[in-house]
Amino acid sequence: DADVTQTPRNRITKTGKRIMLECSQTKGHDRMYWYRQDPGLGLRLIYYSFDVKDINKGEISDGYSVSRQAQAKFSLSLESAIPNQTALYFCATGQGYEQYFGPGTRLTVT
Amino acid sequence: KNEVEQSPQNLTAQEGEFITINCSYSVGISALHWLQQHPGGGIVSLFMLSSGKKKHGRLIATINIQEKHSSLHITASHPRDSAVYICAVRQDSNYQLIWGAGTKLIIKP
Repeated sequence: DADVTQTPRNRITKTGKRIMLECSQTKGHDRMYWYRQDPGLGLRLIYYSFDVKDINKGEISDGYSVSRQAQAKFSLSLESAIPNQTALYFCATGQGYEQYFGPGTRLTVT
Repeated sequence: KNEVEQSPQNLTAQEGEFITINCSYSVGISALHWLQQHPGGGIVSLFMLSSGKKKHGRLIATINIQEKHSSLHITASHPRDSAVYICAVRQDSNYQLIWGAGTKLIIKP
């Protein structure tokens, strides 16, 4: 089984809908991250969490919220999806200097 | 100007060729990562460097801290090496990564 899993893997939704992307990890890491990837751009950090009680905004947090339900779970919500949130979303966990990535969620907002 | 620049953006080569992908950065770093993103989207860490050179199979990564530059080399390239190769640097002060935009490599048989 994969160490970092993301659900769903693909999602198409309409403008204005609320959507949640979920991430689970079995690596026992305290740090978890949400990134988005757009064509031609590097990954951009949305939110990160150093433990269950420590949530921090990344460089592009507007329009997103997160919840760290447990050490192993970190979910990303789009409160009211808009088309420019169409992207590939990655969850990652971290320990020391390493980060380990989930398989990604491809989100399309129409 | 981006803090992490990769070149080239796209690279197409024939099987067996020696490949070099470059990464330049403008901030002080504690480590530099090379990662591979497969056509299906998954991201895998290849190397983490803070100095010198590392080798794993046909992959070699080097870093020159003074020049703020790193290279990823692939020897005897193979079509299965086709992927996007991403450079990311970890700033001195925190655990966050600054990402390059990636180099898309295609190896033709």
